[in-house]
Amino acid sequence: EADIYQTPRYLVIGTGKKITLECSQTMGHDKMYWYQQDPGMELHLIHYSYGVNSTEKGDLSSESTVSRIRTEHFPLTLESARPSHTSQYLCASSKPLDNSPLHFGNGTRLTVT
Amino acid sequence: LAKTTQPISMDSYEGQEVNITCSHNNIATNDYITWYQQFPSQGPRFIIQGYKTKVTNEVASLFIPADRKSSTLSLPRVSLSDTAVYYCLVVIYNTDKLIFGTGTRLQVFP
Repeated sequence: EADIYQTPRYLVIGTGKKITLECSQTMGHDKMYWYQQDPGMELHLIHYSYGVNSTEKGDLSSESTVSRIRTEHFPLTLESARPSHTSQYLCASSKPLDNSPLHFGNGTRLTVT
Repeated sequence: LAKTTQPISMDSYEGQEVNITCSHNNIATNDYITWYQQFPSQGPRFIIQGYKTKVTNEVASLFIPADRKSSTLSLPRVSLSDTAVYYCLVVIYNTDKLIFGTGTRLQVFP
């Protein structure tokens, strides 16, 4: 039933590398989100978007950036990866209506060595 | 922001009904209560959402008392595949942020 896709599923990368985590959805949802989750811990909102050309920072300070050039695509970029960026990154989308449930992807598990 | 409190973990056996209670004392008039389920290595999945009284769908029921300061997710006849983390969230009206707590880790035994 996955209509929201994240790639890669797993990524191991060295310190200092630039990486982009991809997120695409086929549901035509206007709202998209990025959450960060460490193992066994809660999710923290790091970025969200209301639609094309809209990006907002979430509650957790993040050194990542996002872009929203197309409705279906919401990539997250780390310019210079550090071991502290090791985490799971979850992308989600929802309809523009208030209280619409979020649809999550299966995440990208990032390890920075 | 309306903070939620729920048990860290619960154990159950197959076939039993499981009730997970969440408290949200600071819920505002127009806020909704919603529950998500998360399996290991997957993103959370929406289960159910409600405003007051009782909501039921094919997988769960949600009971919300009149004061709305708490809610109870009820899972009828759980199976091993219901082992997961369950998150209770208050969806703040007219915002685009969902605040996830630490959730309740449900373990179902055979």
